[in-house]
Amino acid sequence: NAGVTQTPKFQVLKTGQSMTLQCAQDMNHNSMYWYRQDPGMGLRLIYYSASEGTTDKGEVPNGYNVSRLNKREFSLRLESAAPSQTSVYFCASSQDGTSGVTGELFFGEGSRLTVL
Amino acid sequence: GESVGLHLPTLSVQEGDNSIINCAYSNSASDYFIWYKQESGKGPQFIIDIRSNMDKRQGQRVTVLLNKTVKHLSLQIAATQPGDSAVYFCAESRGRDDKIIFGKGTRLHILP
Repeated sequence: NAGVTQTPKFQVLKTGQSMTLQCAQDMNHNSMYWYRQDPGMGLRLIYYSASEGTTDKGEVPNGYNVSRLNKREFSLRLESAAPSQTSVYFCASSQDGTSGVTGELFFGEGSRLTVL
Repeated sequence: GESVGLHLPTLSVQEGDNSIINCAYSNSASDYFIWYKQESGKGPQFIIDIRSNMDKRQGQRVTVLLNKTVKHLSLQIAATQPGDSAVYFCAESRGRDDKIIFGKGTRLHILP
């Protein structure tokens, strides 16, 4: 049982390049999330998707776009990468956000992105 | 601005002792609180949660206490073990949009 799978695990970009982080979950969850984590910091929400076909901005959405491709997949795109986007990116999923029995988030292993 | 925060960035505890990790929140509209554990190089893992209609909830070796009067949340770990070494985050859900917002984290060091 893979849970939440993120690709790639590591990526180095030059300023201005674009890339897409992929995320897939096999738990049939409705909600999916993208967070970024900077050194010594907590996780900051970039975008989330409460259900297939919907996406909403989180705390730090500027410079990012997302696509909820289907129930399983939620991708994060950087159109023109900047050094300030150097971070570890985590994808997560949950059954029904926080309105369900539990709002437990299941996280992937993270994608470490460096922008030069 | 309103945020979820922590009193101490680092906590050192003797193996076998109890650990108490604290968290303050400022949004009285928050109705759901969660504790996560993050080990080095991994994604956060759910530990325990509590809703605002409760004051206390217990799990295996862990207890979460919620004091809504002073907007304070704590995680108690009984008989701390080396495997408890990690960064612990409190998180809250605010309002009806169900976004989960994380605090900055506390690193727990276990002393032999």
